[in-house]
Amino acid sequence: AQSVTQLGSHVSVSEGALVLLRCNYSSSVPPYLFWYVQYPNQGLQLLLKYTSAATLVKGINGFEAEFKKSETSFHLTKPSAHMSDAAEYFCAVSFLNDYKLSFGAGTTVTVRA
Amino acid sequence: DAMVIQNPRYQVTQFGKPVTLSCSQTLNHNVMYWYQQKSSQAPKLLFHYYDKDFNNEADTPDNFQSRRPNTSFCFLDIRSPGLGDAAMYLCATSRDTTVNQPQHFGDGTRLSIL
Repeated sequence: AQSVTQLGSHVSVSEGALVLLRCNYSSSVPPYLFWYVQYPNQGLQLLLKYTSAATLVKGINGFEAEFKKSETSFHLTKPSAHMSDAAEYFCAVSFLNDYKLSFGAGTTVTVRA
Repeated sequence: DAMVIQNPRYQVTQFGKPVTLSCSQTLNHNVMYWYQQKSSQAPKLLFHYYDKDFNNEADTPDNFQSRRPNTSFCFLDIRSPGLGDAAMYLCATSRDTTVNQPQHFGDGTRLSIL
């Protein structure tokens, strides 16, 4: 069955440290992949998307994600965390036979001063 | 700026009293979606419109209905809200239904049931 999994429901990092959020998908054919961020009491904002043009995708706010087909992964990283990065992050996929988004369970990021 | 606007941001209604949530968009997108998001959970798709064509998810309760009178507006109607319907309701749009199209979200309406 096709699915998307985010490892780690909570991640806590120090300000200035690396942020790494993990996303894995299960599908025989690589899907289209997205990362969204949700700040408290707001909607989801697109951070970046993978559409097979390049395996390393750069997004907004200094985030980037790397697609690794061999690992069926699309992990999100940011080299240096800022207090404003505290939010909920969702990995989402569109499988080739269904344009609707399937969301991971989300990862809450807290940033320590 | 082109955007997706949801009104109101916060809505309180009584148990069993019908309520309508509103969404408008200036993106001129063909597809409009409604999601329900409960605390600390991922958004759950309720239904969507492609132009005037309504597409309901199989597990969406009959209590939830939607209307799209024109391209710009879409409404979510909850006919008889129960306590379990308290949630954030998110409206989203996409240009079309090709698989690589990102969805653009509004800021949501937080619904409370008394």
